[in-house]
Amino acid sequence: GAGVSQSPSNKVTEKGKDVELRCDPISGHTALYWYRQSLGQGLEFLIYFQGNSAPDKSGLPSDRFSAERTGGSVSTLTIQRTQQEDSAVYLCASSQRGGTGVQPQHFGDGTRLSIL
Amino acid sequence: GDSVTQMEGPVTLSEEAFLTINCTYTATGYPSLFWYVQYPGEGLQLLLKATKADDKGSNKGFEATYRKETTSFHLEKGSVQVSDSAVYFCALSDTGDMRFGAGTRLTVKP
Repeated sequence: GAGVSQSPSNKVTEKGKDVELRCDPISGHTALYWYRQSLGQGLEFLIYFQGNSAPDKSGLPSDRFSAERTGGSVSTLTIQRTQQEDSAVYLCASSQRGGTGVQPQHFGDGTRLSIL
Repeated sequence: GDSVTQMEGPVTLSEEAFLTINCTYTATGYPSLFWYVQYPGEGLQLLLKATKADDKGSNKGFEATYRKETTSFHLEKGSVQVSDSAVYFCALSDTGDMRFGAGTRLTVKP
């Protein structure tokens, strides 16, 4: 069946522009996660959704970052006034449920964001 | 907060060598532990997992045992192949979010 789908796969934009990244999770997965993988760094947790609500937003690096999820399905990660340090691969993952009794996450291929 | 520390790479081995990638964790609760793998040009995939102390996860010849007494989840394989070349991430999850280690790049030479 279909896996986690992210779009665009690559995005190049100028510093100061806003970007929107999209994640389409596996059907029926209620938990959705956003991560960032910078060059030479490990994965950095950004935000987690259970349904449409986000119990944990502590990983968002600044107030330029926001995310939403509607209908318990598609999620968008928005970065406003992009900076060069925002350049990274942004990964989305979904699982059947979060909280206790954690299920393994299924990852998308990521969006490679490059800020010029 | 919860965190994962894993062995720094890169690791380079010859085919059929024994592999160990160390992973230790810090957690306030009783997390589930995972190893994820990222092959060149591909997304992350779950390799194996363990959900409670003394559980052993295994897949594709890889094994890792959840050791509560040493807060460790070391990844091992008895005989690596060139196709095992990838980046390996140790991870834990306790209350929904997941914390990853920095990743260890493994290169296996013929």
